[in-house]
Amino acid sequence: IAGITQAPTSQILAAGRRMTLRCTQDMRHNAMYWYRQDLGLGLRLIHYSNTAGTTGKGEVPDGYSVSRANTDDFPLTLASAVPSQTSVYFCASSGGADTGELFFGEGSRLTVL
Amino acid sequence: KNQVEQSPQSLIILEGKNCTLQCNYTVSPFSNLRWYKQDTGRGPVSLTIMTFSENTKSNGRYTATLDADTKQSSLHITASQLSDSASYICVVSARQAGTALIFGKGTTLSVSS
Repeated sequence: IAGITQAPTSQILAAGRRMTLRCTQDMRHNAMYWYRQDLGLGLRLIHYSNTAGTTGKGEVPDGYSVSRANTDDFPLTLASAVPSQTSVYFCASSGGADTGELFFGEGSRLTVL
Repeated sequence: KNQVEQSPQSLIILEGKNCTLQCNYTVSPFSNLRWYKQDTGRGPVSLTIMTFSENTKSNGRYTATLDADTKQSSLHITASQLSDSASYICVVSARQAGTALIFGKGTTLSVSS
């Protein structure tokens, strides 16, 4: 089934540890995104990539990094996790940066202690 | 500042009843408006996408309207079902370079029997 796959589904992490959330899509979409969703704040954009080889900062990029080595994969890395990064993380993709339908993964629930 | 405001924040209705969710935006220049449904513990799923020239669009029992002059949209749910219990998110796309999606915080709908 075509779509977006995120891993892990959930993770408990000690503060200061490094963590990479994986995201893979098989729809050959150019644009990919990472969002975090927190209660009362809605979805906020962390980083995005309009095409392979390019990335950009979203609304809340601090403490996170991304790479886009190919079309399908868009990993999100927390270099040194802090408790404020406890959240649900969603990866998404679309065929166009602002016109295409946005497809979301099922989310990765991260708890930083 | 580009913003999307949704109301009400939460809503409880009886199964079989209709309801209307509101979305007001101050996004400019406007490209399109989307409604997403997010079930608990899942990623958001697209319901409708409307461009400037579209006043209404339906998807089964869901009907979205758009008034680009007043910058308002509504999502009407007809003959609600228990499975309609979810968060409904309004997203407005601005026509600009890079990523241009502005998310509302969502309306949480609970349908009870």
